[in-house]
Amino acid sequence: DAGVIQSPRHEVTEMGQEVTLRCKPISGHNSLFWYRQTMMRGLELLIYFNNNVPIDDSGMPEDRFSAKMPNASFSTLKIQPSEPRDSAVYFCASTISRGHGYTFGSGTRLTVV
Amino acid sequence: SQQGEEDPQALSIQEGENATMNCSYKTSINNLQWYRQNSGRGLVHLILIRSNEREKHSGRLRVTLDTSKKSSSLLITASRAADTASYFCATDAYNDMRFGAGTRLTVKP
Repeated sequence: DAGVIQSPRHEVTEMGQEVTLRCKPISGHNSLFWYRQTMMRGLELLIYFNNNVPIDDSGMPEDRFSAKMPNASFSTLKIQPSEPRDSAVYFCASTISRGHGYTFGSGTRLTVV
Repeated sequence: SQQGEEDPQALSIQEGENATMNCSYKTSINNLQWYRQNSGRGLVHLILIRSNEREKHSGRLRVTLDTSKKSSSLLITASRAADTASYFCATDAYNDMRFGAGTRLTVKP
């Protein structure tokens, strides 16, 4: 099992550009989560999906952020337009069901200049 | 927003010593989990303890949970230099899972 796969590993973009982060969860895992990690705010839950359906997106900072899960094996987190304060490490995690441990991807380090 | 709060924020010990980290939380939970994060890497799940459990062991790890005090502790026995990492508690409160700020553990060889 290759684990949770995120791409790209690093992304540097200019302010105002669109950024798309990608995640492939572990096959058979029914829940998928997007987290953002910064030194100031720690790990923040942005959104989570259950069986491809968004359940709670209250952590999405603002309308510039959107997430989709078109099928069980793929999810995207899009920021449009990006701003310097969006610079962070974005993690995707999946779990077979609630009440089990999460498997995290290696993260995408986003730098917006 | 964060749910759990770890204490201490940083801990430095010698190899072979035990390390204890604490976590406090605010709301009712379904389970509590501990994760490790090495610098620049993703989080790795260590252990899960359910709300009806009081203690759990996994190798050199021992976790306790006191739901009346809304607190948990993680004990790492006979620490090794490879245990150097940040440790996070995460509370699963039925609708989502939120992480604390973490404890930075340094184990000196």
